[in-house]
Amino acid sequence: NAGVMQNPRHLVRRRGQEARLRCSPVKGHSHVYWYRQLPEEGLKFMVYLQKENIIDESGMPKERFSAEFPKEGPSILRIQQVVRGDSAAYFCASSPTASGPYEQYFGPGTRLTVT
Amino acid sequence: AQKVTQAQTEISVVEKEDVTLDCVYETRDTTYYLFWYKQPPSGELVFLIRRNSFDEQNEISGRYSWNFQKSTSSFNFTITASQVVDSAVYFCALRGIQGAQKLVFGQGTRLTINP
Repeated sequence: NAGVMQNPRHLVRRRGQEARLRCSPVKGHSHVYWYRQLPEEGLKFMVYLQKENIIDESGMPKERFSAEFPKEGPSILRIQQVVRGDSAAYFCASSPTASGPYEQYFGPGTRLTVT
Repeated sequence: AQKVTQAQTEISVVEKEDVTLDCVYETRDTTYYLFWYKQPPSGELVFLIRRNSFDEQNEISGRYSWNFQKSTSSFNFTITASQVVDSAVYFCALRGIQGAQKLVFGQGTRLTINP
């Protein structure tokens, strides 16, 4: 059984470029979450999506960041005009449901470095 | 607001010693879920345990055990007879029942087991 897949694992971008991070959830999971981990810190929630819908984006910066989870294909976290402060590990998680007791299963993360 | 505090930033012990990682949480939800995740040096997040707020039974899994005390809002994690492979950053996390499905993480405890 394939777990959560994220690619690329490492991404280097120059300031001002765009970064696209992809996440394929566990097969059969329709709930996707994105978290950001700054160096030496815990993970911070960014956004929660179901297929074709953003349910909660309370942790997402208002500008430059966007996320989608289309009907077909992976979830995408897009960062436009990256700045040095965007350098972090970005983790995607998925779950089969969003109510009651369940775990969120995490992917290996994408480590973004902005030079 | 929900909050998770892991007061121990770093712990270093010698192999075979027992070690306890502390986790204190805050929430107004009457139903909630607590989690521990392990982040080894390779960087991925590994799910260890979920505990429901209405189940205060302690749990043991091999060398790992968890002590949930609702009265003190704590969910501590003990590793017995530690091994070098236990070296990792350990995160405690909380998910409430109201509204958002996000996990709220503590800052993490970096555990180093020395041979």
